[in-house]
Amino acid sequence: RKEVEQDPGPFNVPEGATVAFNCTYSNSASQSFFWYRQDCRKEPKLLMSVYSSGNEDGRFTAQLNRASQYISLLIRDSKLSDSATYLCVAGGNYGQNFVFGPGTRLSVLP
Amino acid sequence: NAGVTQTPKFQVLKTGQSMTLQCAQDMNHEYMSWYRQDPGMGLRLIHYSVGAGITDQGEVPNGYNVSRSTTEDFPLRLLSAAPSQTSVYFCASSGRTGGGYEQYFGPGTRLTVT
Repeated sequence: RKEVEQDPGPFNVPEGATVAFNCTYSNSASQSFFWYRQDCRKEPKLLMSVYSSGNEDGRFTAQLNRASQYISLLIRDSKLSDSATYLCVAGGNYGQNFVFGPGTRLSVLP
Repeated sequence: NAGVTQTPKFQVLKTGQSMTLQCAQDMNHEYMSWYRQDPGMGLRLIHYSVGAGITDQGEVPNGYNVSRSTTEDFPLRLLSAAPSQTSVYFCASSGRTGGGYEQYFGPGTRLTVT
């Protein structure tokens, strides 16, 4: 079993749709959680950190459920520019041992 | 502030050759890591460092060496290149931001071993 698992995708959605990404992690000692986006042939870029209380940044909302070891990302009113692969990450408390999920590809269609 | 820089961007090696991938960061981050990314495999941790003089192995360390003589630099050395090491290599550094640590990536090195 992979340490971080994500929906296999790909997701193809029309512009304006709401799309949800799900992620589970198996290491209960994980302390920090993130969502990254990666465009084709580019480096991963930090989208948002995920906190226990949940956090929102514009059209993006991230949630963490430690009891279920589950992380989610919701994108509302999706734009063409949101097309990318979304990576879920679980890591240690001090920036070490970041484990990446395999990613879920999103295509937003006009 | 350049962030995380990597050189070279592209490299072709013959089997058995050695080379060093360079990585530098100017954010004074303690933690630095090397990953490789292969199609369908996601990012896998090769080696990481929690500070100058301290390194440790990640998930796939075989065939690679690292050293960390300064906070800024974290080179990755391929000892004897093999076709299985054809991949995209990303260097990353982690620093405290707000309540936790966030990781930032360099632009990657695309390596082909023939």
